[in-house]
Parts: sequence; C-alpha cells; structure tokens
Amino acid sequence: AQKVTQAQTEISVVEKEDVTLDCVYETRDTTYYLFWYKQPPSGELVFLIRRNSFDEQNEISGRYSWNFQKSTSSFNFTITASQVVDSAVYFCALSFNDYKLSFGAGTTVTVRA
Amino acid sequence: GAVVSQHPSRVICKSGTSVKIECRSLDFQATTMFWYRQFPKQSLMLMATSNEGSKATYEQGVEKDKFLINHASLTLSTLTVTSAHPEDSSFYICSAARQGANYGYTFGSGTRLTVV
Repeated sequence: AQKVTQAQTEISVVEKEDVTLDCVYETRDTTYYLFWYKQPPSGELVFLIRRNSFDEQNEISGRYSWNFQKSTSSFNFTITASQVVDSAVYFCALSFNDYKLSFGAGTTVTVRA
Repeated sequence: GAVVSQHPSRVICKSGTSVKIECRSLDFQATTMFWYRQFPKQSLMLMATSNEGSKATYEQGVEKDKFLINHASLTLSTLTVTSAHPEDSSFYICSAARQGANYGYTFGSGTRLTVV
C-alpha cells in the first residue's frame, strides 16, 4: 500500500519568509515517483515537480527547491522568499508505474503581505 | 505542452438528474485517464481509472453504476453522475497520462458540481 503524509495542515507566513512543506511517504515498491502539485483557489492542479526513486539529487527551480531523502522517506518542498501569489494548497503525491496518484492531505499556505 | 480540457467548469443540477463531465486531451493521445473527487478542504481521491476501449476500473467504495465512465477515444473520457444527490456535490478532476510515459499527469481544470 502507498501512503503520503503531509503533517502540516496550514502554514501562514509573512511575505519574503521562507516556508518548508513536509512530505513523508510509505511504499514497498523500489521504483516509484514523487510529485508536488499546487492548487490555487481557482481549483486547477499545477504540476511542480516529478522525481523518481532513483534520483536523490535535490532540485532548485527559481524560488522553489526540493529535498529528497530516501533514508527518511521524505520529499520536502521549500519556497524561498515567499510571495502572496504562492498562497495555495500544496499536495505531495506518490505513484507506482500504473500512473495512479496517491495524494497527501495537502498543506494550505497563506502568505500575508 | 500537454493540455487537458475539462467541461463544464461549474454545473448546478437538480436532485435525481444526471450530469455528464467531459475530459479531453487536446494535443496528445491519452490511453489512460483518471477521475478524482475532491470534497471541500480535503485531498483528491481517485475514483476510477479509465482505459480507452475497455471498462473503467473503479476504486473500492465507488459505485460504478452511479459514476459511469466512458473512454471511447484516445482523446476523450466522460464521467456521468447518474441520479445525482446533494451528497454527490463535489469538485471532480480528470487527469490524463501520455502513452508509454510516466509524466507529471496533466490535470483538467476541474468541475464543481452542486446538486440542489
């Protein structure tokens, strides 16, 4: 069985602060994929990143960065110098090769001006 | 990039009626599409996996006779909520997978269904 845990329900920060979203996963598969999606108030899901289980390199994309640690089964996401436009619900997700995604509960990020 | 179009974006229907939601992959062929449901302030829950030309595979607890899925072509899957009731009010989102690849699954923009 696959499971994704996002322990933080809500995070509120002031603009320009950094915010880190935690994601812990469980799977028995040796090959799997991890994702982060952003869901703004409009509802659509915006793809942020996909990482396969054999690639533990951290990744940076602009103000976004991801830390993948297989030893702790974590795939954490950091927004640096947050902006009001970053306010959204962020989902971590896990999939095996059959494409189905198992989503975490989501973390609501509120960035205040 | 890959685009998935989902219509309608919002629909209000009377209890007991049926509602059809369409999900189209605009610039790629999608052999597999997925339908998710999201209740307010909750996560996305997979309802079913739709494969072109074959019957959909439903997740445990999802009534296949109530949520009819048809995937008649490589670019179109439809979800019909039959005899809708207020408890079916939710946000329904489809996603499409490209053939032979495990990409970041392109999602439609979602359909907010309200049953009154």
